Amino acid sequence: GESVGLHLPTLSVQEGDNSIINCAYSNSASDYFIWYKQESGKGPQFIIDIRSNMDKRQGQRVTVLLNKTVKHLSLQIAATQPGDSAVYFCADCRDDKIIFGKGTRLHILP
Amino acid sequence: SQTIHQWPATLVQPVGSPLSLECTVEGTSNPNLYWYRQAAGRGLQLLFYSVGIGQISSEVPQNLSASRPQDRQFILSSKKLLLSDSGFYLCAWTVLPLAGNTGELFFGEGSRLTVL
Repeated sequence: GESVGLHLPTLSVQEGDNSIINCAYSNSASDYFIWYKQESGKGPQFIIDIRSNMDKRQGQRVTVLLNKTVKHLSLQIAATQPGDSAVYFCADCRDDKIIFGKGTRLHILP
Repeated sequence: SQTIHQWPATLVQPVGSPLSLECTVEGTSNPNLYWYRQAAGRGLQLLFYSVGIGQISSEVPQNLSASRPQDRQFILSSKKLLLSDSGFYLCAWTVLPLAGNTGELFFGEGSRLTVL
């Protein structure tokens, strides 16, 4: 299950570098995956989604990669900026349930 | 356009007191509705979800309950709050990926509950 009770892991990235945030999911029946960004004191914001019949999708400065063989999802942020500092969650959809992963805190170094 | 409202935004309640958080959605029909809880510095835990009026699925055994008396209204309740119920509660809605919908979850503003 998801480790929602644990403190969030932190990824520190130099401003301008690329960030890669990883997520593992357990249910091979999940057919849809979403990445969210949550800034302090706010609700999660949608970043990008991907369906299970795809292995890559690109947005503005973000790319999501899906590896169904190892049940792994990643979010790549190009040219990381101070405004990217937040907690990032992946979520997978199974039937009508939307389950969030444990999240990663992205810290931007000046 | 669709909007979601959640209230109250903040509340402080004593242990053993009841709770009622309300969420309403406008501008859509037959949405899927969700209640999540987020403890400080933690992830989002799915508590309840509903695919229709009167249909509630519970994810985690606890002293909370949910109800959906109307299509676009979702209520989170407790008869007696525990200290461990403190957290940030988020209501959300979506129309799952069908016919071009993205399936994006749309979140309310959140309700911060402190149980003393």
